[in-house]
Amino acid sequence: AQKITQTQPGMFVQEKEAVTLDCTYDTSDQSYGLFWYKQPSSGEMIFLIYQGSYDEQNATEGRYSLNFQKARKSANLVISASQLGDSAMYFCAMREGYNTDKLIFGTGTRLQVFP
Amino acid sequence: DTAVSQTPKYLVTQMGNDKSIKCEQNLGHDTMYWYKQDSKKFLKIMFSYNNKELIINETVPNRFSPKSPDKAHLNLHINSLELGDSAVYFCASRDGAEGQETQYFGPGTRLLVL
Repeated sequence: AQKITQTQPGMFVQEKEAVTLDCTYDTSDQSYGLFWYKQPSSGEMIFLIYQGSYDEQNATEGRYSLNFQKARKSANLVISASQLGDSAMYFCAMREGYNTDKLIFGTGTRLQVFP
Repeated sequence: DTAVSQTPKYLVTQMGNDKSIKCEQNLGHDTMYWYKQDSKKFLKIMFSYNNKELIINETVPNRFSPKSPDKAHLNLHINSLELGDSAVYFCASRDGAEGQETQYFGPGTRLLVL
């Protein structure tokens, strides 16, 4: 079974609009962490935002916010006021459990922002 | 600049050759990783090291051998390169302190095996 599922292979959004990128996860652990990374066409992996399983508030970092719905096991990324430079691949990832250190990645969503 | 750096950025080589990729971080982090991103953009962990000690080895062929001379460096040596080794290899690092979760990635090394 997929641990991290990103069901949207591609998304389009108009500049200045908000967009939500979906991520669902599968774990039986109580302690876990959820991450979003951005990979522009230049190839580097850029950390965007982190949500711990025990965090009561949804994480926010500037224009990025994470809509964390623990009961639904979803951790959707919301980008507000999209910019052309937001066009990239976006990966959701999970650190599962307390004593493990590896990140498990989803298959990614390609976001295209158009003028 | 503080960062995770990798060399080389591009590596084109023939099947059967042996090659190394170097990674350095000057963030003072305790833990370093190697990830592989295949042609479909899927990212998977290969190894992790904490203070020069191997922690994770994700059933990677033993042609791949990580080496950590000190906690700021984690190199990846690949013997007898195969066509299927063509991928982007990312190094990453994390501060080992409690609550410090984020892994910071290097720019990647694009390996093409001909």
